Amino acid sequence: QVQLVESGGGLVKSGGSLRLSCAASGFSFSDYYMGWFRQAPGKGLEWVAYISGSGDTKHYGDSVRGRFTASRDNAKSSMSLQMNSLRAEDTSVYYCGRLGSIEAAGTVDYWGQGALVVVSS
Amino acid sequence: DIQMTQSPSSLSASIGDTVSITCRASQGVRKYLAWLQQKPGQAPKSLIYATSSLQSGVPSKFSGSGSGTEFTLTISSLQPEDFATYYCQQYNSYPPTFGQGTRLEIK
Repeated sequence: QVQLVESGGGLVKSGGSLRLSCAASGFSFSDYYMGWFRQAPGKGLEWVAYISGSGDTKHYGDSVRGRFTASRDNAKSSMSLQMNSLRAEDTSVYYCGRLGSIEAAGTVDYWGQGALVVVSS
Repeated sequence: DIQMTQSPSSLSASIGDTVSITCRASQGVRKYLAWLQQKPGQAPKSLIYATSSLQSGVPSKFSGSGSGTEFTLTISSLQPEDFATYYCQQYNSYPPTFGQGTRLEIK
């Protein structure tokens, strides 16, 4: 069965850096776009980044572009989100997700359990 | 960016009821509209993609309809496990955007 497990969350000071990881299993990892999303405490969902199956194509939300970098290691069935220049408003639970295929391309079919990132000022 | 607006923001219903949630897009998204369910302290769960197609394992009590700018999620025969927050998401164009959520509570 498809499983996605995030790790690497924690407390970091404003201006600092953190790297999240997402370990995937149960499917052919390199065949799928993957995504990062986040949810601030008590708020709704926000898209952060997408990365293609090969890792060659990446898209980022305006609020993180230039500060966050998505990457993946298909040999290890894992992807990462390097977060630099963190701000208090980046405080959120970060979710990784597998994007669907064909008509579901662009939306998540499986979600990880989430990793909490707290940026202190 | 395409703005997604859900109504109502909250909804109270009883066990066994059928409820509907509406999602309106600020511009057309064709059929590329998804619905998600989220329970407190849990990750989202994807229910529907492409307006009306159920994700694997999702029961048929969930149904979606609509096109263009107006979409509806209908949940029939409400059970305790259905009380949650529901989000719509458009994925027709970048950036993908979500509605603000509809909280479904037990009456």
